[in-house]
Amino acid sequence: QKEVEQNSGPLSVPEGAIASLNCTYSDRGSQSFFWYRQYSGKSPELIMFIYSNGDKEDGRFTAQLNKASQYVSLLIRDSQPSDSATYLCAVNMMGNYGQNFVFGPGTRLSVLP
Amino acid sequence: ETGVTQTPRHLVMGMTNKKSLKCEQHLGHNAMYWYKQSAKKPLELMFVYNFKEQTENNSVPSRFSPECPNSSHLFLHLHTLQPEDSALYLCASSFKGILPYEQYFGPGTRLTVT
Repeated sequence: QKEVEQNSGPLSVPEGAIASLNCTYSDRGSQSFFWYRQYSGKSPELIMFIYSNGDKEDGRFTAQLNKASQYVSLLIRDSQPSDSATYLCAVNMMGNYGQNFVFGPGTRLSVLP
Repeated sequence: ETGVTQTPRHLVMGMTNKKSLKCEQHLGHNAMYWYKQSAKKPLELMFVYNFKEQTENNSVPSRFSPECPNSSHLFLHLHTLQPEDSALYLCASSFKGILPYEQYFGPGTRLTVT
């Protein structure tokens, strides 16, 4: 069973703190990793993607990938109440007809003013 | 219109009804997807179309029937649904080569089956 796992949360952090969101995946052959943000009642919105081991920074967001440990994380610096949402990790895995995304269950983040 | 659009945004239907969901992408992508999102469950991939050809069907019941007339339009035809089919149905599009590229989602259709 090919899986993507995330802590469901809620993860609560105070405003201005660093929020750390984690994701593990089962398919050692996965090569593409994506983070989406989903506000309640809305559709997922792409935040970042990462293909190579190491860190990738975009503004307040940093994605970290460790393929050996099958682990990808998202750090949000200077967290704001507007960052309160569910964060979805997506990983490419081989399906019946080729590579497609498998989404994790999401981690709910709450940033407290 | 920009991005990925979906209509209707909300749909209530009885178990004997037939309805269709529509998705249109304005991003020049070559692949389109249908996902189901139920409460407390991860996004479930239902169907994938690549250059109008269906390339994935994740054991979806036959009461859901997709149609992709061209690379910009995708439909999901619904008939004799069950109450457990109530969910948010999301359409997405992307470029697709050997590896999947980032997907962009439409706003979704909130479906309630009574």
